[in-house]
Amino acid sequence: DAKTTQPTSMDCAEGRAANLPCNHSTISGNEYVYWYRQIHSQGPQYIIHGLKNNETNEMASLIITEDRKSSTLILPHATLRDTAVYYCIVRVVGGGSNYKLTFGKGTLLTVNP
Amino acid sequence: GAGVSQSPRYKVAKRGQDVALRCDPISGHVSLFWYQQALGQGPEFLTYFQNEAQLDKSGLPSDRFFAERPEGSVSTLKIQRTQQEDSAVYLCASSLGTDQPQHFGDGTRLSIL
Repeated sequence: DAKTTQPTSMDCAEGRAANLPCNHSTISGNEYVYWYRQIHSQGPQYIIHGLKNNETNEMASLIITEDRKSSTLILPHATLRDTAVYYCIVRVVGGGSNYKLTFGKGTLLTVNP
Repeated sequence: GAGVSQSPRYKVAKRGQDVALRCDPISGHVSLFWYQQALGQGPEFLTYFQNEAQLDKSGLPSDRFFAERPEGSVSTLKIQRTQQEDSAVYLCASSLGTDQPQHFGDGTRLSIL
């Protein structure tokens, strides 16, 4: 699976949009971008995933650049409960031994009142 | 709805003791995964089950670690002759299939004294 690079930490004001970047410059054509987050003392929580089109669900939006070398997770109106470590993961979907999730160190997002 | 349930949430054991950690996956989920998370690090893959078959145990750190899922539902991770370096959070995840998002429990925090 391709390697990802994320900033170590970010701050965001409550009520504002949080934009979390991820670089995955070696991504292959059949690799998806997944985002998980982990709130303190909880297990990782699935947020969203995408291949090349932008995706939106009730939690967040995922914007993937046209060359697919980077992406941004957007939390449109951050709340204090969104304070967590956010992990960007790239994985192949469809066959093989690609079921493993390879977590990096992620980005610690702190939402401030 | 019912998510992945893990028990106990906390386990303290003396070095050399055996421990057993339980995972109840989401009903109907075929795939089950175990991960180990050291303090300040992202989760790392240990093993994978498809129904009752253990298809990948490449991440198990030693032969003291053993996992089973005899009826294709509940899984147990057993660690024999525990060592201090086994102290970590052990996370269980399940999914409908390997191509589907994995959903995590809140983990068991294991402390070896």
